[in-house]
Amino acid sequence: KNQVEQSPQSLIILEGKNCTLQCNYTVSPFSNLRWYKQDTGRGPVSLTIMTFSENTKSNGRYTATLDADTKQSSLHITASQLSDSASYICVVRGGQNFVFGPGTRLSVLP
Amino acid sequence: DSGVTQTPKHLITATGQRVTLRCSPRSGDLSVYWYQQSLDQGLQFLIQYYNGEERAKGNILERFSAQQFPDLHSELNLSSLELGDSALYFCASSLLDTRGTQYFGPGTRLTVL
Repeated sequence: KNQVEQSPQSLIILEGKNCTLQCNYTVSPFSNLRWYKQDTGRGPVSLTIMTFSENTKSNGRYTATLDADTKQSSLHITASQLSDSASYICVVRGGQNFVFGPGTRLSVLP
Repeated sequence: DSGVTQTPKHLITATGQRVTLRCSPRSGDLSVYWYQQSLDQGLQFLIQYYNGEERAKGNILERFSAQQFPDLHSELNLSSLELGDSALYFCASSLLDTRGTQYFGPGTRLTVL
């Protein structure tokens, strides 16, 4: 069954600290993996897109990694800011379908 | 502002009714995607159109249908509405078909009473 799992479910960190979010998938065939940031009640915003051959992609303070062999991805956030508080969603495109993970809810406290 | 517009912002209707949600993609984008986000099931991909043609289908119910018009705007039609159809419906657009960055609209919140 095509599935995307994310951990942790929620995370609380202090402003300025780093954190890493995890994504494991069992989607096949694999086309690409995306990370999105979603503020409550708003549309997701794309952070990174990675294909099979890419193992690292950065977007400012966000760095995503992909291990296609183990079917794992991570999103590392550096020097967190209050505005990073949001849900982070991992999405895998498998063939014609997009399979969404449940998201990690990140709270950054002052 | 992503450049993707969706109307209406909110919609309240009754069970059994039919509604139409509208999406205007970013200027120049050829692909339009529809997604549903509910509290219990998270985000789900419904359907994709590319330059007027259906390109990919996800978990779209038979009661739902969509189309993309020559001017590239898209409409999602939901019929025989049930309480469980209450959700946020997002439209996204991208320039390309498979790999492009998707830009999401603000969503339409549908409440079925």
